[in-house]
Amino acid sequence: AQSVTQLGSHVSVSEGALVLLRCNYSSSVPPYLFWYVQYPNQGLQLLLKYTTGATLVKGINGFEAEFKKSETSFHLTKPSAHMSDAAEYFCAVSDSSGGSNYKLTFGKGTLLTVNP
Amino acid sequence: EAQVTQNPRYLITVTGKKLTVTCSQNMNHEYMSWYRQDPGLGLRQIYYSMNVEVTDKGDVPEGYKVSRKEKRNFPLILESPSPNQTSLYFCASSLSRTVPNSPLHFGNGTRLTVT
Repeated sequence: AQSVTQLGSHVSVSEGALVLLRCNYSSSVPPYLFWYVQYPNQGLQLLLKYTTGATLVKGINGFEAEFKKSETSFHLTKPSAHMSDAAEYFCAVSDSSGGSNYKLTFGKGTLLTVNP
Repeated sequence: EAQVTQNPRYLITVTGKKLTVTCSQNMNHEYMSWYRQDPGLGLRQIYYSMNVEVTDKGDVPEGYKVSRKEKRNFPLILESPSPNQTSLYFCASSLSRTVPNSPLHFGNGTRLTVT
């Protein structure tokens, strides 16, 4: 069964600083990986996804994530944080564990605070 | 506009009083699901539906019921709510869960308080 671990339930950065949100997964088969963002009082929105092919994935709002199979990681980065990036971020993995239906499992989330 | 619509956004009720949270999607998605979000626990799946008339339990189904009589609607029913069901609930839909890279589309959430 797959699982997702997000290191750090709360990350605080200064405006203009690098954002790094960590995600490690365990999966019995090659995974499909997602990052979602949740702004206050809203539902989750898809930020980016990795399926196959290029391991560096670009998403919306300047975010990107790199799939590293050897490290079972899919960390999310943004070179320069903006105040509007303050939100909760969720990593998710989708795999079938050998069946035909794919289950999406979410990490517990990382709250990003951006300080002026 | 493609969207998942949940109602109500906020709900305060008392223990034991049956309630229904509605969810509707206009994207012709086959798959729909309910999650609850609690601090420190992330999102946990309550029930899901692969298609019309097909529903199955998620990770935390106790105390909840669902039905999928039409493709677009997937209501969540709490027959006898208890305080431990106080939470933020999300409905989500996806084209199909047999497609591994099909993302979930979420509603804006329903904040339920049971006193």
